[in-house]
Parts: sequence; structure tokens; C-alpha cells
Amino acid sequence: ETGVTQTPRHLVMGMTNKKSLKCEQHLGHNAMYWYKQSAKKPLELMFVYSLEERVENNSVPSRFSPECPNSSHLFLHLHTLQPEDSALYLCASSQGLAGYEQFFGPGTRLTVL
Amino acid sequence: DAKTTQPNSMESNEEEPVHLPCNHSTISGTDYIHWYRQLPSQGPEYVIHGLTSNVNNRMASLAIAEDRKSSTLILHRATLRDAAVYYCILFMNTGFQKLVFGTGTRLLVSP
Repeated sequence: ETGVTQTPRHLVMGMTNKKSLKCEQHLGHNAMYWYKQSAKKPLELMFVYSLEERVENNSVPSRFSPECPNSSHLFLHLHTLQPEDSALYLCASSQGLAGYEQFFGPGTRLTVL
Repeated sequence: DAKTTQPNSMESNEEEPVHLPCNHSTISGTDYIHWYRQLPSQGPEYVIHGLTSNVNNRMASLAIAEDRKSSTLILHRATLRDAAVYYCILFMNTGFQKLVFGTGTRLLVSP
């Protein structure tokens, strides 16, 4: 138990669906992250938020839309995804941006049909 | 981003020490050496980090070469639960830096 929770843990969706992934951290951290982990590929950073401001958008397609309403919650809104977007989506948080260790959630296993 | 090189996989027996190497010949003076691990079906987990001196914590030890171009993560007594992918990452402690994961070392632990 890392103090970072993600829901749902598993999600199957069609290409025309709209869904959202939720992340919540109970650690009092100021920074939150979305990562994507595809099969047999390294983790890829998608988005970074610090104090609810987005500081990094790592060339992610617009069909992925993040939202950070407060420092404890992070969402990833999904629409018109492609089968190649099937992956494990991981949320993480850290006390700050500069060199702090990151605490990861268990991830959401997403399958796009 | 500074690069690290790790073996793809290593094997160990339970209760034996494990030394996981990492080469980072292009490390800069402000890069910290971080180690994370990812157990099956879980998100990555922070293990340890250091700058110049060797470091110990409850999970592992980190031995850093004098020239800082390589480091070794040491698990003193491997358990089955230590079977995971171990990532060695260079990470600055100023400004915004991305945590860049490579392919890591897959550690297999046999009973």
C-alpha cells in the first residue's frame, strides 16, 4: 500500500467510448504524474502536474485529456482510443518535482477493443 | 537525458546476496542515482538513491564507484518477493526532471 490509489483496476472499452481513470493520493504530495506502460516497453511519462498546474505534456495525443482538480486527485479522460492505446496506466505522486522519490499506484489495465 | 546500462536479466538463489550493476558513464555532477523496482502486476516502487557515498536502507544498499560512472544495488539476502524488474535511473535534484525508465534488469530468484 503506497498511499496512491487508482480506479478502476481494469477497464475494457470500445474505440467510441468515453471513460475516465481516477487517481488519488493520501500523502500530502504536491506533484502527480501519469505514466503509460505498454507490453515490453519502458514506462513512458505522459503528464505531470505540480500544485494543480500542468508542467509537462510529453507529446501525448489529444484523445488523452488529464485533469487535476486539486493536489490529491488526478484524472485521465479517455475518448476515441485506438487498440494500440491498450496498456497499463500508472499514476504517481511526489512531494515536489526536484528529485523526490515517486510513489506509484497499482495501475489501471486498459484494453481497447 | 543521461543514460544508464543494465543487464537484461540476472538470477539468484533465495537467501543469497545479489549485486545488480548499472553503468552510467555520462553522469553529470548533479545527477543522483535512483533505483526503483517493479514487482509483477504492480507499479514501480522506490528502493534507494545516492549521490557519491554508499547508502544503506532497510531494503538494500547502494555502492557507488569513486568516479560515479557505475553503481551496484545490493540485496543482502534475496527472497522470492525480490523477484522484480530493477531500474537504475539518473535524476537531478533541481528544477523539473523526468524520471526516465529504461528496460531494467529482471531478477529471477529461485528457492
